[in-house]
Amino acid sequence: GDSVTQTEGPVTLSEGTSLTVNCSYETKQYPTLFWYVQYPGEGPQLLFKVPKANEKGSNRGFEATYNKEATSFHLQKASVQESDSAVYYCALSDPGGSNAKLTFGKGTKLSVKS
Amino acid sequence: GGIITQTPKFLIGQEGQKLTLKCQQNFNHDTMYWYRQDSGKGLRLIYYSITENDLQKGDLSEGYDASREKKSSFSLTVTSAQKNEMAVFLCASSPGTFYAEQFFGPGTRLTVL
Repeated sequence: GDSVTQTEGPVTLSEGTSLTVNCSYETKQYPTLFWYVQYPGEGPQLLFKVPKANEKGSNRGFEATYNKEATSFHLQKASVQESDSAVYYCALSDPGGSNAKLTFGKGTKLSVKS
Repeated sequence: GGIITQTPKFLIGQEGQKLTLKCQQNFNHDTMYWYRQDSGKGLRLIYYSITENDLQKGDLSEGYDASREKKSSFSLTVTSAQKNEMAVFLCASSPGTFYAEQFFGPGTRLTVL
């Protein structure tokens, strides 16, 4: 079945440093790839999604490129802020699967210190 | 825009008790989901429903029942709460196409004494 593997947390960074959260996936089809962010006390919310291979998604300074050859979708940000402290989930939706189920990674908890 | 409402926000139960969690959405979405979130284990799908009166099992359905009473509401029942169980249950909804995002509610935090 489909699977998503992402950087195991927690990750602790200082404000102003760069972030990379690795995400690798396995699926038989060409999926749509998602990054979600979950702030304390809230449900996950979409950061961005990329439906096509070799395209980049971005939002709030975060970006990721859908790399079909490497089956990767790594999340990057050049300069993190304390407000970026959250849990980040990589996910995929398989067009060959049933009824828009999403397969999530286990999440990466990011703490940013000032 | 729309919103997903989950009730209650906090639920404390006793071992062996049957507990019901409720979810309402006003997006007019066809598909609704229940996930369980445990620390370090990510989001695990319990049940989902692609339309009113439909039910599909997820990866973690054992020990749970669900009911899609109408398009806007989806309930989850813990059939027998396990002692010392602690988890957050998240409800989500989606238009149902494979490229569509899911919108999540704030969660119900369950503690079993």
